[in-house]
Amino acid sequence: KAGVTQTPRYLIKTRGQQVTLSCSPISGHRSVSWYQQTPGQGLQFLFEYFSETQRNKGNFPGRFSGRQFSNSRSEMNVSTLELGDSALYLCASSFRGNEQFFGPGTRLTVL
Amino acid sequence: SQQGEEDPQALSIQEGENATMNCSYKTSINNLQWYRQNSGRGLVHLILIRSNEREKHSGRLRVTLDTSKKSSSLLITASRAADTASYFCATDAGYGQNFVFGPGTRLSVLP
Repeated sequence: KAGVTQTPRYLIKTRGQQVTLSCSPISGHRSVSWYQQTPGQGLQFLFEYFSETQRNKGNFPGRFSGRQFSNSRSEMNVSTLELGDSALYLCASSFRGNEQFFGPGTRLTVL
Repeated sequence: SQQGEEDPQALSIQEGENATMNCSYKTSINNLQWYRQNSGRGLVHLILIRSNEREKHSGRLRVTLDTSKKSSSLLITASRAADTASYFCATDAGYGQNFVFGPGTRLSVLP
């Protein structure tokens, strides 16, 4: 099976712009979770989608949003980018919500 | 606040030595998982231990779980330079609860 894929791998944006990141889970996995990883805050949970519904949400402002499509692919959107949004954004998929399989991440740099 | 807390934050050992990392958490869990992350990449799942298990082995990895002390340890035996990475514990409190990752332990295995 192909692993979790994330696109793009690298992204450079300027403050105030918006960005959309994409995640394709492993075939058959219906749960997709997103995480933000920064040196200062570590790995922080953003949200989880299951069968196109947001099942759980972390403590992030409303500028961070996501969605999941019927094929389980997921997108994450960040509007009005701030310098502090620079991070590695990781997506993970799982079959039964136990073991999570991570993608390689999208490195977002906000200038 | 993060549930899982690993210690030490950083560990440097010689090839062939054993490496032990510890994780403490705060609330009841369904299972605890260990992940490895090579520099700036996605996380790789290493091992999952359920709350009713006390010890689990996988190759050179040995994980213990003490639910009374809310702690877990990961032992890597006969370490290799390729084991150099950051190691994270993640707690799963069950359906509807998101994974919570600790800040990680940076392991350096010197040849």
